[in-house]
Amino acid sequence: GQNIDQPTEMTATEGAIVQINCTYQTSGFNGLFWYQQHAGEAPTFLSYNVLDGLEEKGRFSSFLSRSKGYSYLLLKELQMKDSASYLCAVTDSNYQLIWGAGTKLIIKP
Amino acid sequence: ETGVTQTPRHLVMGMTNKKSLKCEQHLGHNAMYWYKQSAKKPLELMFVYNFKEQTENNSVPSRFSPECPNSSHLFLHLHTLQPEDSALYLCASSQDGDRVNEQYFGPGTRLTVT
Repeated sequence: GQNIDQPTEMTATEGAIVQINCTYQTSGFNGLFWYQQHAGEAPTFLSYNVLDGLEEKGRFSSFLSRSKGYSYLLLKELQMKDSASYLCAVTDSNYQLIWGAGTKLIIKP
Repeated sequence: ETGVTQTPRHLVMGMTNKKSLKCEQHLGHNAMYWYKQSAKKPLELMFVYNFKEQTENNSVPSRFSPECPNSSHLFLHLHTLQPEDSALYLCASSQDGDRVNEQYFGPGTRLTVT
């Protein structure tokens, strides 16, 4: 079966760094997405990885290891507005997105 | 601004009612999607339309009936729903449905079935 695993909830301090992990087992792989979803709002695109390695975009970075079925999202210099759920999703062989349940990130002052 | 709008934002309906959810995208995309989002569960893909043709139906009960009159509009018709159907229903669009594309989401309709 297809499965995406990520922690349910994480807590971090304003100004710190946090890493959100995602492991996956899917039928085929055509890339991995990270989305951010604030409470009561639409998910919004953060990053896409299809090759191994680290992609950096401002305070956010995303890493992929295809051989390990593993990705992480790294958030630096955390701000209160980063409190949200972070969704990991893998594109399978049929180009459909398989979603994780999301990681709720709580930022404390 | 996402470019994908959904109405209504909130809906409360009884199990015998019939209602419809509407989604509109202003991005010129060719693929549209309906997802169900329940608390602490992964997004569940319900239906996919690519160039107005339904390409995916993930074993969704017949009490949910999609309609895609054109590439910009998507409806979800609801009838005789169950309380367990209460959830956030998200619409999304992407450039194409048969290749890797970023999906753009609407704000969702919060549905409560009483």
